[in-house]
Amino acid sequence: DAKTTQPTSMDCAEGRAANLPCNHSTISGNEYVYWYRQIHSQGPQYIIHGLKNNETNEMASLIITEDRKSSTLILPHATLRDTAVYYCIAVLSGTYKYIFGTGTRLKVLA
Amino acid sequence: DGGITQSPKYLFRKEGQNVTLSCEQNLNHDAMYWYRQDPGQGLRLIYYSQIVNDFQKGDIAEGYSVSREKKESFPLTVTSAQKNPTAFYLCASTATARSQTDTQYFGPGTRLTVL
Repeated sequence: DAKTTQPTSMDCAEGRAANLPCNHSTISGNEYVYWYRQIHSQGPQYIIHGLKNNETNEMASLIITEDRKSSTLILPHATLRDTAVYYCIAVLSGTYKYIFGTGTRLKVLA
Repeated sequence: DGGITQSPKYLFRKEGQNVTLSCEQNLNHDAMYWYRQDPGQGLRLIYYSQIVNDFQKGDIAEGYSVSREKKESFPLTVTSAQKNPTAFYLCASTATARSQTDTQYFGPGTRLTVL
């Protein structure tokens, strides 16, 4: 499974877009990129996932580079409630295997 | 409301005692998972079950046991053989175990403290 690397922490001003990068340079063609977030002492919450194309839902957008070696999660208008640890995970299609790293701690500032 | 419930939210036990953590889902999901999370760390897989009456060890199964007698329930027992059981335990489920892309949904977690 591909390993992902993320910055340890980031700050973002409330109301601004939060752009969280993830590097997955060894990802294979059938590995999906998943994003979750975890607010302190709660279970991880699914945000979005994608394979090749950019994806958008009500929570966020996912931009995957053409070579699939990196991706960016975009929270378009960050609020204080978006303060959390964000995990980027590469998941092999058809398997259960989620390998969680330590994620990016995003702090949204008032 | 469909979802995953874990109980209790906080659990304390004395050293040397076994303790069982509950995980129930009403999503009609086939597969269920148990993870452990230590402070400042990511999640590590303990056990998983793809169907009733079947389960597999994950990366850190030593000192833990599970059962899957019903589709909606996947209890985890932390035995006295687990050397460092104090942690945050998370249960998750997916609709099927082998679909093309299957999102895992997590419960709220149980924080276990060994005194």
